[in-house]
This record gives sequence, structure tokens and C-alpha cells, in this order.
Amino acid sequence: AQKITQTQPGMFVQEKEAVTLDCTYDTSDPSYGLFWYKQPSSGEMIFLIYQGSYDQQNATEGRYSLNFQKARKSANLVISASQLGDSAMYFCAMREGRTGNTPLVFGKGTRLSVIA
Amino acid sequence: GAVVSQHPSRVICKSGTSVKIECRSLDFQATTMFWYRQFPKQSLMLMATSNEGSKATYEQGVEKDKFLINHASLTLSTLTVTSAHPEDSSFYICSARATGGGRTGELFFGEGSRLTVL
Repeated sequence: AQKITQTQPGMFVQEKEAVTLDCTYDTSDPSYGLFWYKQPSSGEMIFLIYQGSYDQQNATEGRYSLNFQKARKSANLVISASQLGDSAMYFCAMREGRTGNTPLVFGKGTRLSVIA
Repeated sequence: GAVVSQHPSRVICKSGTSVKIECRSLDFQATTMFWYRQFPKQSLMLMATSNEGSKATYEQGVEKDKFLINHASLTLSTLTVTSAHPEDSSFYICSARATGGGRTGELFFGEGSRLTVL
């Protein structure tokens, strides 16, 4: 079974608008972390935001916020005030367990295109 | 600047040759490093977990004799693709988890290495 599901292969958003990228996850471990990464065409993985399973509040980092709905097992990324430079692949990922020694499992990604 | 350096960033080789990719943590120690492979327009798939001073743990379907991993020091892990074939052409990315110091637990990615096998 897929541990991370990203149902949107591609998304378009108008510059300066907000966009939500969907991510649902599947785990039976009560301790886990959820990550979002941006991957531009250069290939590097750029860390955007992190949400721990015990965090009470939704994570925010500048224009990025994570809409964490634990009961629904969803961790959607919201990008506000989109910029042309936001065009890239976006990956949702999960790490299970407390220790942090486990690897990240990635979703299939969503390609975001910001249009002027 | 980058805290995990991967080298080479691009490599082209002939079929049958071996290629070594280095993953180096620049300002922290990493007892655990992870190696991922990403085919075009696909996600990152975990290949193996590299532990300093011990044998790597490979994911199902990844040939350990073909993808040799060595993690001989706390700052360096290497992936050697032996007898490379065109189907091994891919983007290989490492990540390292910081242990000790102010960055304990943080996970950092290398810039990736694009392998093309002719």
C-alpha cells in the first residue's frame, strides 16, 4: 500500500494566488514526521516545511503552511502568493518512528506551474 | 551553502564500466546516510540505508552486488554502480542525518548525481 499519496500529477496557479497541494499518508506508527520538498529542474531537494505527528499547531514557514488534519491523515501544503519561481516538482514525504534513523518515503509528486 | 556534497554531479560512462558516487557531509557527522534513485518524471525511491562502520541495508529489489555502498567514515558514504548498463541511467541522491552537535536529527540532501550509461 502506498504510504504517501499525492493525487495531483500537475497543478496550475496564477501568479500571486494561493495554491494547495494535496498529500495523504498511511501509517500505524503514532510517531511520525511529514515533510514537503521542492525539486526544481536542477534536481536538488529543497526542504520547505516539517510537521511532527504530535505537533498541536500547523507548521508555517514564510509563504508555506501545512494544513495538518491528523484524523484524515492529510498534510496538504499551502503556498500563498505564488511566484514564478515556485514552478517545480513538489514532494510530500513521511518518516516513521521517533529516532529519525528511518528514511523518508516519498509520494509521486505534483508538478506546479505558476503562470503570469 | 550546501551541507551535503555529492560528486560527481554528472557522469557519462560506457556500458560495462563502474562508476563511484561520493556523498560527503561537510559540517556535521552522519552515522546514517540514505541513497535514493529517481528515474525521469518519477519519485525518489530508497535504494539502501548506509550505516557507518557496518554493512548497508538494501531495499527489496536492489542488487547489493551491483550497487556497492561503503560508509567508512562519519562524513563519507560512496555508492559504486558496478558494470553499469543503460537501464541504470538515473538520478542518484543521497541524504544524511546529522548526529551530534546543534543539528542533531536534521536531514540534508546532496545535490544529486545524474548518471548516463551509453
